[in-house]
Amino acid sequence: EADIYQTPRYLVIGTGKKITLECSQTMGHDKMYWYQQDPGMELHLIHYSYGVNSTEKGDLSSESTVSRIRTEHFPLTLESARPSHTSQYLCASSANRDSGANVLTFGAGSRLTVL
Amino acid sequence: AQKITQTQPGMFVQEKEAVTLDCTYDTSDQSYGLFWYKQPSSGEMIFLIYQGSYDEQNATEGRYSLNFQKARKSANLVISASQLGDSAMYFCAMRVKAGRRALTFGSGTRLQVQP
Repeated sequence: EADIYQTPRYLVIGTGKKITLECSQTMGHDKMYWYQQDPGMELHLIHYSYGVNSTEKGDLSSESTVSRIRTEHFPLTLESARPSHTSQYLCASSANRDSGANVLTFGAGSRLTVL
Repeated sequence: AQKITQTQPGMFVQEKEAVTLDCTYDTSDQSYGLFWYKQPSSGEMIFLIYQGSYDEQNATEGRYSLNFQKARKSANLVISASQLGDSAMYFCAMRVKAGRRALTFGSGTRLQVQP
């Protein structure tokens, strides 16, 4: 049973629309992450958060923004979707202990298609 | 900067045979962790196995084992007795002790198990 939930799983939307991809976890993890992945390709970190009100950009430049107002919730927003934003977006979280062995637990992903 | 290299875009293996998926890494940090994830066609990321840089024994988890050769900076995944359900993308990833604790991923290997 998944402890990290992403909605929607699939979204097809027109250019210029505002979208929000939701991510929630029930494990009480402080650290949360957003990765972007094109089909069959590697994952690229676009945002991460150490805790409430703490967000930073990742390695891959992204026009999306994130917020972390509650520990369990880490939504990603695109103000004006473009076809170049078509991709899969994966949310993940990891436990609070300061250990290199912390496993990232992933959600099922949100597949976004912008027409 | 950290880098993960997976040089096998695709691999085929016969059912019940063993297969090795290659992974090399590059980091100047002495303390780091190496991970393998499986991604089926449904898109979720499933954690398989972890190896710490100071672990003297190779990690094993059921049919999965990690062939860790620190001097060569390689962390190959060995799957024994392949099953049809093992067909998926496999990603090697690394986390270094310093920094934000996110994972850096390789480009992945697509494994197809043939009956």
